[in-house]
Amino acid sequence: DTAVSQTPKYLVTQMGNDKSIKCEQNLGHDTMYWYKQDSKKFLKIMFSYNNKELIINETVPNRFSPKSPDKAHLNLHINSLELGDSAVYFCASSPSIRLANIQYFGAGTRLSVL
Amino acid sequence: EDQVTQSPEALRLQEGESSSLNCSYTVSGLRGLFWYRQDPGKGPEFLFTLYSAGEEKEKERLKATLTKKESFLHITAPKPEDSATYLCAVLTMEYGNKLVFGAGTILRVKS
Repeated sequence: DTAVSQTPKYLVTQMGNDKSIKCEQNLGHDTMYWYKQDSKKFLKIMFSYNNKELIINETVPNRFSPKSPDKAHLNLHINSLELGDSAVYFCASSPSIRLANIQYFGAGTRLSVL
Repeated sequence: EDQVTQSPEALRLQEGESSSLNCSYTVSGLRGLFWYRQDPGKGPEFLFTLYSAGEEKEKERLKATLTKKESFLHITAPKPEDSATYLCAVLTMEYGNKLVFGAGTILRVKS
């Protein structure tokens, strides 16, 4: 039973398209995150939500819009995709934002923009 | 700005050849340091959390230590299945449980 699941695992699309990545966690955690891992393998945080409330919003183009319908789900919608958006996107969750909690990661979504 | 630097970038070991990976950090208030393992095509998997200088954690062939400026991941008598990318991350005083990751060390253990 996967703790943090992302769909799709692979996403190939053309420049200019709009796409979404879905994430769900069944751990009962309050906090969820989106990270981007570029070709150099650097993992950088993009967004963090706590109980459906946006907590962290790093310097990310406003073409990226996270949506949290409930605390178990955090989806990422990307408008007008660009070549530079190609990367692996990871969803993660942790029990809360108050403590130095362990973050649990999904398997990633590899986005390729052609 | 918070920074995390890992070295070496890549490390090749023979099975049984012990070594250490380094993670040095510059942060404004460390709340915790995390080690993760990442296998190809998968998400990072949690290994250890260290909170204060002098702390040590062990798991099988891995041992993590922490000083005021760096952490080491010691690998004793590694096996091929230890091959992976090892990521270090720090949790800062910034609100929101924000992890700042290093670029990772790619470890290859040959039999």
